[in-house]
Amino acid sequence: GAVVSQHPSWVICKSGTSVKIECRSLDFQATTMFWYRQFPKQSLMLMATSNEGSKATYEQGVEKDKFLINHASLTLSTLTVTSAHPEDSSFYICSARRQGAGNEKLFFGSGTQLSVL
Amino acid sequence: QKEVEQNSGPLSVPEGAIASLNCTYSDRVSQSFFWYRQYSGKSPELIMSIYSNGDKEDGRFTAQLNKASQYVSLLIRDSQPSDSATYLCAVNTDAGNNRKLIWGLGTSLAVNP
Repeated sequence: GAVVSQHPSWVICKSGTSVKIECRSLDFQATTMFWYRQFPKQSLMLMATSNEGSKATYEQGVEKDKFLINHASLTLSTLTVTSAHPEDSSFYICSARRQGAGNEKLFFGSGTQLSVL
Repeated sequence: QKEVEQNSGPLSVPEGAIASLNCTYSDRVSQSFFWYRQYSGKSPELIMSIYSNGDKEDGRFTAQLNKASQYVSLLIRDSQPSDSATYLCAVNTDAGNNRKLIWGLGTSLAVNP
């Protein structure tokens, strides 16, 4: 099966600092990656769609200057939470869509638990 | 607005019973349907995908799709305590080149030994 590696698994940072989360597709090329945020006992909330070589498409209400997404290659996308605040504390999950798949299937990273003090 | 609805539960079943999870969706042209399982603190994992009307079986899991009623369900036979998790229904909307899944809020399942 397809493997998506997400790093780090958890991070604690001080308010005002920036945090970078990496998402790599290890055994396939992903033209599209998705970044989700999930608060406790709630479902996944799509933040943005990241397309290789182009600007990310952000969902309504998600600040693009705060959540910087870079998808420089077919196997790597990064999410940087800039000037993090306690309300940014959440579980962040990336997923990758396999290139050329006839039917749509997403493969998820293991998630990153962010805690902002 | 396109929506996917699930009963939040919790759904509680005894070990060995059949657990039935239901999902309805609003976008009539949706083509792809998925069930994901998510354990607390973990990311979702794909359980079943279904694309055409009818039943699809995979081990103890059966997905059922009825596009006319805009309804998709997941049956878990011989439920085990390890099946206790939140089950997320996701529906693929085809918005041009920016296809993305619409997620339900999930149904919490508890299988009691």
